[in-house]
Amino acid sequence: EIVLTQSPGTLSLSPGERATLSCRASQSVSSSYLAWYQQKPGQAPRLLIYGASSRATGIPDRFSGSGSGTDFTLTISRLEPEDFAVYYCQQYGSSSSITFGQGTRLEIK
Amino acid sequence: QVQLVESGGGLVKPGGSLRLSCAASGFTFSDYYMSWIRQAPGKGLEWVSYISSSGSTIYYADSVKGRFTISRDNAKNSLYLQMNSLRAEDTAVYYCARSGWELLLRYWGQGTLVTVSS
Repeated sequence: EIVLTQSPGTLSLSPGERATLSCRASQSVSSSYLAWYQQKPGQAPRLLIYGASSRATGIPDRFSGSGSGTDFTLTISRLEPEDFAVYYCQQYGSSSSITFGQGTRLEIK
Repeated sequence: QVQLVESGGGLVKPGGSLRLSCAASGFTFSDYYMSWIRQAPGKGLEWVSYISSSGSTIYYADSVKGRFTISRDNAKNSLYLQMNSLRAEDTAVYYCARSGWELLLRYWGQGTLVTVSS
């Protein structure tokens, strides 16, 4: 089973700043089958990024994803107030190993 | 538009059973894999189970194997999760979600809360 480790656990930033979230896999993620989700309190997760770098429908272009192999990054170029939430990475594409990272909480400084 | 609506959650005693349902609309249900994912209070996401579009392929997390059963009724556009021998650690919000074969979760329901407590 692939283990995903996200860092940092909590990130404190101000609106307008740039956020960089990391997701490291214990083994190489095939075909860059790495996704990012955003979850706000009381809501279901929402798909942001898939295939490591493709934005899902309706996701603003301030969100971007990068990486391959075992190291992946979610970048939010300029934080808006609505971006403060918890972010999860997920590896998919393998029926025998379906895992999420433990999450990064992005909070207002 | 795609809609997934879970129901069936509630309070149940340890060792008890519960059946969750997920009603799907706005897409051709029989074309998609469906999953259950749960989130314990204040914790992260855990994939519980998935079922292929035809129902021929099923996966369970080790934590629920032998206790939970996933099923679907394509004629009724519905997904189910039969949960038996419930434990306190099964307490969570349970979400249903739609994906393709690759298990990318593009659409999620709003979740239903299951509380296992005496």
